[in-house]
Amino acid sequence: QKEVEQNSGPLSVPEGAIASLNCTYSDRGSQSFFWYRQYSGKSPELIMSIYSNGDKEDGRFTAQLNKASQYVSLLIRDSQPSDSATYLCAVNDSNYQLIWGAGTKLIIKP
Amino acid sequence: GAVVSQHPSRVICKSGTSVKIECRSLDFQATTMFWYRQFPKQSLMLMATSNEGSKATYEQGVEKDKFLINHASLTLSTLTVTSAHPEDSSFYICSARGGHPNAEAFFGQGTRLTVV
Repeated sequence: QKEVEQNSGPLSVPEGAIASLNCTYSDRGSQSFFWYRQYSGKSPELIMSIYSNGDKEDGRFTAQLNKASQYVSLLIRDSQPSDSATYLCAVNDSNYQLIWGAGTKLIIKP
Repeated sequence: GAVVSQHPSRVICKSGTSVKIECRSLDFQATTMFWYRQFPKQSLMLMATSNEGSKATYEQGVEKDKFLINHASLTLSTLTVTSAHPEDSSFYICSARGGHPNAEAFFGQGTRLTVV
């Protein structure tokens, strides 16, 4: 059973600090990796995609991929209360099946 | 990002009736569409995956005769909940992916179904 693991949280971070969200996956042949944000009662929205090892930055968001260790992380700099949401990690495995983590609830405290 | 439009956003129906939910990719061709169900405070649960022109592949435990999925074109997929019951009340969300299988998937706005 291919898995994507995330700490369910909640992860509480002070406003202005860096929020660090982590995700591990079991299929070493996985090829593409995504972070989505889901507000309560809404559908998920794509934040970042990453395909190769290293860092990828987009505004306040940085995705980090380490295929050797099979983890992908998302850093949110200068956290804002509006960043409070559930963050979902999704991985396209070696068969192009999209496998979802259960999500990490992030709370940014003013 | 690409736009996926899902309608209706909310629907209330009587027990025993059928409800159709539409999912359209507005600015790209969706070679694959996914249908999810999400109960309050729970994770996304994949119901089925459909490729344009092919029959949908249903996840274990999802009744294909109850949840009819049609993906007749590269921009439209529909989910019909047949003979709905109160336990079918949930948040149904579609997602679409185009081009390469490694491409991103984009979500519709979701449909909140209440069966009374």
